[in-house]
Amino acid sequence: DQQVKQNSPSLSVQEGRISILNCDYTNSMFDYFLWYKKYPAEGPTFLISISSIKDKNEDGRFTVFLNKSAKHLSLHIVPSQPGDSAVYFCAARGNSGGSNYKLTFGKGTLLTVNP
Amino acid sequence: GAGVSQSPSNKVTEKGKDVELRCDPISGHTALYWYRQSLGQGLEFLIYFQGNSAPDKSGLPSDRFSAERTGGSVSTLTIQRTQQEDSAVYLCASSLGGPQHFGDGTRLSIL
Repeated sequence: DQQVKQNSPSLSVQEGRISILNCDYTNSMFDYFLWYKKYPAEGPTFLISISSIKDKNEDGRFTVFLNKSAKHLSLHIVPSQPGDSAVYFCAARGNSGGSNYKLTFGKGTLLTVNP
Repeated sequence: GAGVSQSPSNKVTEKGKDVELRCDPISGHTALYWYRQSLGQGLEFLIYFQGNSAPDKSGLPSDRFSAERTGGSVSTLTIQRTQQEDSAVYLCASSLGGPQHFGDGTRLSIL
């Protein structure tokens, strides 16, 4: 049973436009969410995170929005740049007893930003 | 500064052989994690070490998998009697309370 779902395997946008990557989760015990970016043959790189006590976190061109009632989060990249082309993973961490450290990942969304 | 280092970067072995994968975490990071990513899948948690505490092995898929962390630093993931379904990228991460930082992984191929 997938607890973190990224329903779009791929997304293509034009340079300069907004990229919106979506993520849904089912486990209400998740209280901390992260986005990672991954280039081929490299490990995932931490991008931005959000705690469940917030609904928005912004860092430069990257903004993460959290809708707890809908169990949905999204990553907005604006303006998108060709160098943003990568696989983006949504991850969640719970606070259930001793399990508040391991991350549960979605399957990823391949973002392609076209010049 | 130095990130998480994993070796080897690629490993090809025959079914039934044992393999050892190594992870050097970021200096000072007390937590160390192993994940694996099979083709087309997200990252799957395997095992977690925190300081001197007993590791959380709840993600290990079978008793053929084991891991140790010596001196609170370097970790080795061992897979015995490898099977074709063990083929995946094995990723190590470390952290000090904040986000986990990943190495580039070991791509394991079982023939």
